[in-house]
Amino acid sequence: GAGVSQSPSNKVTEKGKDVELRCDPISGHTALYWYRQSLGQGLEFLIYFQGNSAPDKSGLPSDRFSAERTGGSVSTLTIQRTQQEDSAVYLCASSLGLSNTGELFFGEGSRLTVL
Amino acid sequence: AQKITQTQPGMFVQEKEAVTLDCTYDTSDPSYGLFWYKQPSSGEMIFLIYQGSYDQQNATEGRYSLNFQKARKSANLVISASQLGDSAMYFCAMRDRTSGTYKYIFGTGTRLKVLA
Repeated sequence: GAGVSQSPSNKVTEKGKDVELRCDPISGHTALYWYRQSLGQGLEFLIYFQGNSAPDKSGLPSDRFSAERTGGSVSTLTIQRTQQEDSAVYLCASSLGLSNTGELFFGEGSRLTVL
Repeated sequence: AQKITQTQPGMFVQEKEAVTLDCTYDTSDPSYGLFWYKQPSSGEMIFLIYQGSYDQQNATEGRYSLNFQKARKSANLVISASQLGDSAMYFCAMRDRTSGTYKYIFGTGTRLKVLA
């Protein structure tokens, strides 16, 4: 597709289970970002990928959170042993880098609910 | 340190009037970019406008303009001739390399309600 694609769009899980969230960025976009947005709140930075490497993981809240990117394209955010406070919308965005304005293009998000 | 501040949690404006949404920022990087995004109730993030730190003129995109005051570190969004469809959450964001990599940070947002 032409835009950033995220799956699943909705995920309900039980506390303690692991979840995987997937992001397929716009073709050719080298930069990929993950953000978390709690209900009615702003966007909290989680991790940044340039190609397959993650030069900035400073926003990952705990070691239960990890992410990888393969082939310079698809990225997966994994949350292990989910907690209720992990409930949020997880947004993925990609960018061409500093070409033109370098704005972020966002997916529609994955809404995670931990019961 | 990188910081973006939006001090207006909510704003009301009458249809067809202009409205200004405030944003201040802080960075030690001389080269940075400022962005505004709109998030309707559907949840999608829509890019509105961009201002580079070295741009001499204020950015404009249709009914959106960015009032860039570099010395005051402010980047206010002005929406002219408000429409009902402008009701949404608006986020100010900054990209810089203070952390050593290109990171985009977002403010807490301003919820705009346009009244008929």
